[in-house]
Amino acid sequence: TQLLEQSPQFLSIQEGENLTVYCNSSSVFSSLQWYRQEPGEGPVLLVTVVTGGEVKKLKRLTFQFGDARKDSSLHITAAQPGDTGLYLCAGADAGNMLTFGGGTRLMVKP
Amino acid sequence: KAGVTQTPRYLIKTRGQQVTLSCSPISGHRSVSWYQQTPGQGLQFLFEYFSETQRNKGNFPGRFSGRQFSNSRSEMNVSTLELGDSALYLCASNPRTGGGKLFFGSGTQLSVL
Repeated sequence: TQLLEQSPQFLSIQEGENLTVYCNSSSVFSSLQWYRQEPGEGPVLLVTVVTGGEVKKLKRLTFQFGDARKDSSLHITAAQPGDTGLYLCAGADAGNMLTFGGGTRLMVKP
Repeated sequence: KAGVTQTPRYLIKTRGQQVTLSCSPISGHRSVSWYQQTPGQGLQFLFEYFSETQRNKGNFPGRFSGRQFSNSRSEMNVSTLELGDSALYLCASNPRTGGGKLFFGSGTQLSVL
């Protein structure tokens, strides 16, 4: 069973601050996805990274896939209250089955 | 395009009862996956159906079962409910089988008393 560890589990910051969320595993993934889930809703896909070392930017969000495809990070610049939510990473194995990390609950205070 | 629809939105049951949850995928999507989400265990994969066939199954007891109909709609059934079955049950649709980009519904919040 492939495990994905996310850190930190909880993060409470002020509007305007920067933050980084980590997703680590001892296993290699063929691709890695990041989702955001808001209260009362299902997760929504933010990005998929496929190539080791790949960096993708989505406005103020920067996603990076580790060179060895075992880890990933999500960096948010100048966080806003609208960024509040549960951030989930999910790794796909060779059979394309997804394993989800435990999530990072982010709260951005105005 | 309409999103993934899950019904009911909330459900309260007592121990020992059984429950059926429903999921209508995005039109044209033939894969439906079910996940259980709890604060302690996070998102855990239950099973995936594609073209009415179960393609993958997670590590859950046999009390958890599902099926998919010819119109791709799926149902999930939990028999002999236990307190620990209280969770948010999420359905996700996908145009193809085996992971990839998942489109989640808003879930069914099940409380077992």
